[in-house]
Amino acid sequence: AQSVTQPDIHITVSEGASLELRCNYSYGATPYLFWYVQSPGQGLQLLLKYFSGDTLVQGIKGFEAEFKRSQSSFNLRKPSVHWSDAAEYFCAVGGGATNKLIFGTGTLLAVQP
Amino acid sequence: DGGITQSPKYLFRKEGQNVTLSCEQNLNHDAMYWYRQDPGQGLRLIYYSQIVNDFQKGDIAEGYSVSREKKESFPLTVTSAQKNPTAFYLCASSIPGQNTEAFFGQGTRLTVV
Repeated sequence: AQSVTQPDIHITVSEGASLELRCNYSYGATPYLFWYVQSPGQGLQLLLKYFSGDTLVQGIKGFEAEFKRSQSSFNLRKPSVHWSDAAEYFCAVGGGATNKLIFGTGTLLAVQP
Repeated sequence: DGGITQSPKYLFRKEGQNVTLSCEQNLNHDAMYWYRQDPGQGLRLIYYSQIVNDFQKGDIAEGYSVSREKKESFPLTVTSAQKNPTAFYLCASSIPGQNTEAFFGQGTRLTVV
């Protein structure tokens, strides 16, 4: 079955510290992978995406993610977190003609001053 | 500016009533989607449409209905058959096929009173 797992429901980091949010997926075909960010009561904004090619992808707001096929993972990283990064982060996998997305349950990030 | 507009932002419904959520896009995308978001469950696909006058059920279509009479519009009706309709509803659109991401509206929060 196709699925996305985000094992960390809630993470708290100090401002300026590094961040890694975990994402594991199960997908039968070549996966297309996404990270979205959501502020409270808002829609989703795309941070970055992986379709093919270089397995390290750069996104907006200083985020990056690395696709590791052997581990079925697509972890999101940021070297130095800012207070404005506090939000909920969703990993998603999609593909095929319909382009339907399967989402993880999200990781809520809190940033301490 | 191109984008997806969902209205209203907040909606209250009495039990037993049908209610329709609006979603309009001016991105010229053929594909449109409705997702439901509940705390701790991520986003789940309700319905999607790849082209005008055609749509398919997603994972949780029971109690919902849609229409796609125009390319730019994909309204969602929450019927009285939906047993637990209180949730945050997100509309998205994309270009069908691979190598594309979905763009999201700002969401509608529906509360049954």
